[in-house]
Amino acid sequence: EPEVTQTPSHQVTQMGQEVILRCVPISNHLYFYWYRQILGQKVEFLVSFYNNEISEKSEIFDDQFSVERPDGSNFTLKIRSTKLEDSAMYFCASRSGEGRFTQPQHFGDGTRLSIL
Amino acid sequence: AQSVAQPEDQVNVAEGNPLTVKCTYSVSGNPYLFWYVQYPNRGLQFLLKYITGDNLVKGSYGFEAEFNKSQTSFHLKKPSALVSDSALYFCAPDATDKLIFGTGTRLQVFP
Repeated sequence: EPEVTQTPSHQVTQMGQEVILRCVPISNHLYFYWYRQILGQKVEFLVSFYNNEISEKSEIFDDQFSVERPDGSNFTLKIRSTKLEDSAMYFCASRSGEGRFTQPQHFGDGTRLSIL
Repeated sequence: AQSVAQPEDQVNVAEGNPLTVKCTYSVSGNPYLFWYVQYPNRGLQFLLKYITGDNLVKGSYGFEAEFNKSQTSFHLKKPSALVSDSALYFCAPDATDKLIFGTGTRLQVFP
């Protein structure tokens, strides 16, 4: 069964550094998402992306965050200048374009981001 | 604000017994409803969904869920629990193309 793939599985970065989290969505999917889960807290929506532009973003997704689909397969989340509070598990998800939003989002295994 | 409540942090059940994991939500409109399961060090895995129609929907691994519009609830059920069902379960309404998650319910099935 097709999967969403995220790399790396664990990223350790110094505060203030830039970090890029990478995702390869399922190949025929059209909608892409990032979520994050701070340890012990809820999974929170960050951003949705469709047709090469952001569809919606949450309050968390401030100017330090950006997303990009640089080619036909990758979907990246960049944090420009990391803060301690960015430490979390980041999940990428993708969804088929069939049936509007009736299809489930499929998630990757996540990237654990640790900011020192 | 839109929210999801899973009132039990943990549900304990003996193998072979039925299980219920509760979920109520406060989301505007008529959201599509999803259940996901998370195993240790893994992502969220889709279990089942309610879109429209019959209030009882069936999903993967023998799980089913009952939608109640008046109570805005979407409880997850299984007639006979397995030890391998032990995991973290999330109810997630879809609010205009973003999933709203609760804090999750840890299901522990004892042999």
